[in-house]
Amino acid sequence: RKEVEQDPGPFNVPEGATVAFNCTYSNSASQSFFWYRQDCRKEPKLLMSVYSSGNEDGRFTAQLNRASQYISLLIRDSKLSDSATYLCVVSPPGNTGKLIFGQGTTLQVKP
Amino acid sequence: EPEVTQTPSHQVTQMGQEVILRCVPISNHLYFYWYRQILGQKVEFLVSFYNNEISEKSEIFDDQFSVERPDGSNFTLKIRSTKLEDSAMYFCAVHGPSYEQYFGPGTRLTVT
Repeated sequence: RKEVEQDPGPFNVPEGATVAFNCTYSNSASQSFFWYRQDCRKEPKLLMSVYSSGNEDGRFTAQLNRASQYISLLIRDSKLSDSATYLCVVSPPGNTGKLIFGQGTTLQVKP
Repeated sequence: EPEVTQTPSHQVTQMGQEVILRCVPISNHLYFYWYRQILGQKVEFLVSFYNNEISEKSEIFDDQFSVERPDGSNFTLKIRSTKLEDSAMYFCAVHGPSYEQYFGPGTRLTVT
């Protein structure tokens, strides 16, 4: 089983749509969880951290289900500028700070 | 504002040559990380570095790779004898306040 698994997509949605991405992770002792955004040939940029209680930042909502080892990202009212690859990222147990990345889910928002 | 810059932005080298990739933090950081991303593949952890020592390294980080902080500010990744399969984007990252990491713009390494 992959350490962090995502549906690669692509997800093609019209502007204004709501889209959800899912991610599963294999190590139940993983400590921290993030969503990053990556544009083509650019560095990953932190979108948001994910907390057990769920958290929201504007149009973006992230959820964590530790029992199911499942993380989600919901994007409401999609904009053209949301087109990118969304990376599910997990920090395994231990204090070295290493991050484990999923393959990424590609989103294409069309006018 | 970027937390870290990297040089060069693009490096072309011949197989068997040594390359040094540089990472310059904008402000004081204690933890540094190197990741690589082969075109079309996921971002992979290479090494973490704290207090002038390697704290963890991946299987990818073999004897061909080394890291150091030569002058207390720059953080370098050296590949001693490059192979074709070393062609990738190499990202340096630093810690934020809560385990998140901030990535530099990357160096695209092309080995011919």
